Order: sequence, then C-alpha cells, then structure tokens
Amino acid sequence: DAGVIQSPRHEVTEMGQEVTLRCKPISGHDYLFWYRQTMMRGLELLIYFNNNVPIDDSGMPEDRFSAKMPNASFSTLKIQPSEPRDSAVYFCASSLRGMLGNTEAFFGQGTRLTVV
Amino acid sequence: AQKITQTQPGMFVQEKEAVTLDCTYDTSDPSYGLFWYKQPSSGEMIFLIYQGSYDQQNATEGRYSLNFQKARKSANLVISASQLGDSAMYFCAMREGYSGGGADGLTFGKGTHLIIQP
Repeated sequence: DAGVIQSPRHEVTEMGQEVTLRCKPISGHDYLFWYRQTMMRGLELLIYFNNNVPIDDSGMPEDRFSAKMPNASFSTLKIQPSEPRDSAVYFCASSLRGMLGNTEAFFGQGTRLTVV
Repeated sequence: AQKITQTQPGMFVQEKEAVTLDCTYDTSDPSYGLFWYKQPSSGEMIFLIYQGSYDQQNATEGRYSLNFQKARKSANLVISASQLGDSAMYFCAMREGYSGGGADGLTFGKGTHLIIQP
C-alpha cells in the first residue's frame, strides 16, 4: 500500500477563496483523522470519521471548515472562505479500529496551506 | 486541562548518549494507548512506539523504549545510543477508549525539539 495520500502538497491561495484538501486513507482502515499543525497551537485534531461517518467534529474551528468522507477511500477538508490565519500544515491520518492492540495512526505527508 | 504534557520544549544531546523525553498524560479512561511520533525537518509524522494501558511490560522497538509508569501517568521515551539522524521533533500522543470498542482521535502533546550534537 502507498500509505495515506494527500493532495495537494502545497497550496497558496488568496484570502476569501475556497480551498479543498484531499485525502486517500490506507485501504482497509476504518478511521480517518484530519489534523492541523501550527507553531502556536501544535497538532490539533479537527475531525475524525469512523466507517465514513463523522464521529467528532468539535475541533473544527468554525463554520468555514467542513469535511466529508463520501466513501472509504476518499475524504475532503474544505475551507470557505479561507483566511490568513488558516495557514498551517494539514495532515490526514488513518488507522484501524482498536481491539487491545496497536492502533497507531499513519499520517500522510501533509498539505502546507498558505493564505495570503 | 491538557491531556498530554511534554515539559521539555528543546533538548541538546551529545551523539551516542542516551536520551529521555518526558511525557505525562491525563485520563480517567482505563483503556488507552500511548504513542510516540517523530517529525523530522521534512515534516512527515513517523510512528515510533506504542504502549497499551493494559500492557504489563514496557514497549521496546530497536533503540526506542518506553518507560511506562502507570501510577504516575508517565510514558517517557528513551532513545539509546543517539545518532545525528535522531534530531527531530518528538510528539507524545494518547488515544482513549479504543480497547474493545470505539476509539477517539489521537491527542498530541506540544512536542520536544531534540538536537543531537556531534
């Protein structure tokens, strides 16, 4: 398996534009996570899905952020409209359901978003 | 309250020395997992080692070992014989409630920036 695949790797956009980040989890994994990493706040969990269903979106900063998982092999994180403070590295990660075992999350390479 | 606390923002260590990176956690869930990740300057997140809350023995993976002290809620990472390539950010993380049922997302600490000096 190629691992978790995120696209694009880098995105530069103007304030007010819509941004869509994409993620393909590892085949067979039933958990998918979206994280945001900034110097100030570190790694923050934005939202996670189990079997394509959003379980906890309490980390989503505001209504400008939305995430979908239409099927087991694809997820998107959308920001509309984007603002300069959204600039960060966004990670997607996937994992297996835990059953008294090691259920580490495998991370994609991240998308570095810059909003100017 | 923070669930994961890493008290060392940065550390300088001489090559070949052993390193201990501190991590304390806070949970009332009896079922949880503790993880360490490495993030080199290239930015990817690399899984290093895992410790389950019910594991009797400390986890080891090559040069990495986890000093798990459950009563103290401590899960320190020990790197033996450090190498220049170990220079990176190191994150401690916890996942609650995964044993036998659903699992939460990983909660990360702020990280420790480790620099290995020749």
